[in-house]
Amino acid sequence: KAGVTQTPRYLIKTRGQQVTLSCSPISGHRSVSWYQQTPGQGLQFLFEYFSETQRNKGNFPGRFSGRQFSNSRSEMNVSTLELGDSALYLCASSLRGLQADTQYFGPGTRLTVL
Amino acid sequence: EDQVTQSPEALRLQEGESSSLNCSYTVSGLRGLFWYRQDPGKGPEFLFTLYSAGEEKEKERLKATLTKKESFLHITAPKPEDSATYLCAVQRGGSQGNLIFGKGTKLSVKP
Repeated sequence: KAGVTQTPRYLIKTRGQQVTLSCSPISGHRSVSWYQQTPGQGLQFLFEYFSETQRNKGNFPGRFSGRQFSNSRSEMNVSTLELGDSALYLCASSLRGLQADTQYFGPGTRLTVL
Repeated sequence: EDQVTQSPEALRLQEGESSSLNCSYTVSGLRGLFWYRQDPGKGPEFLFTLYSAGEEKEKERLKATLTKKESFLHITAPKPEDSATYLCAVQRGGSQGNLIFGKGTKLSVKP
């Protein structure tokens, strides 16, 4: 069974630009969560989508947004990029997204903002 | 405020030298505690889920235990391939299912 896939794996952008990251969950998984990982803050929750609806959101500015499609694939968008947005962006999928439901992570997208 | 603290931040062991990693947490209504392993440049790899105090789970050289305030990841006779960052995360009760992560313990095992 294929794991969680994320594209692209690496991105270099400049300040002020916008970026879209993509995530394909494990087949049959309906919940997709996004996390940002930085050396200083560790892994921080961005948002979760389930059945095309945002069900939960972390403490990030409105520049960070996402969506989920009917096939459970998800995209994350960051507008007006700042230097501090440089990070590893991780996507995780789970079967139902309910409490204590194991989340499986993809390899991440490394975003560098210059 | 929900919080997860892992210690030590870094641990250097000789091959075969057993040790334990600690994860202490404060969370309102624990639903589950998760251990992940992360290699450089890769996403976290799932290891264990623990649901209630007293529970234990094992996988090869790893054993995870859970109390009401903390979890331990015991590594028995580690090998160099066990070198990685080990992450602990909790999932709280209520409607929010997101994971709250600790900063991790970076383990290095020397031959």
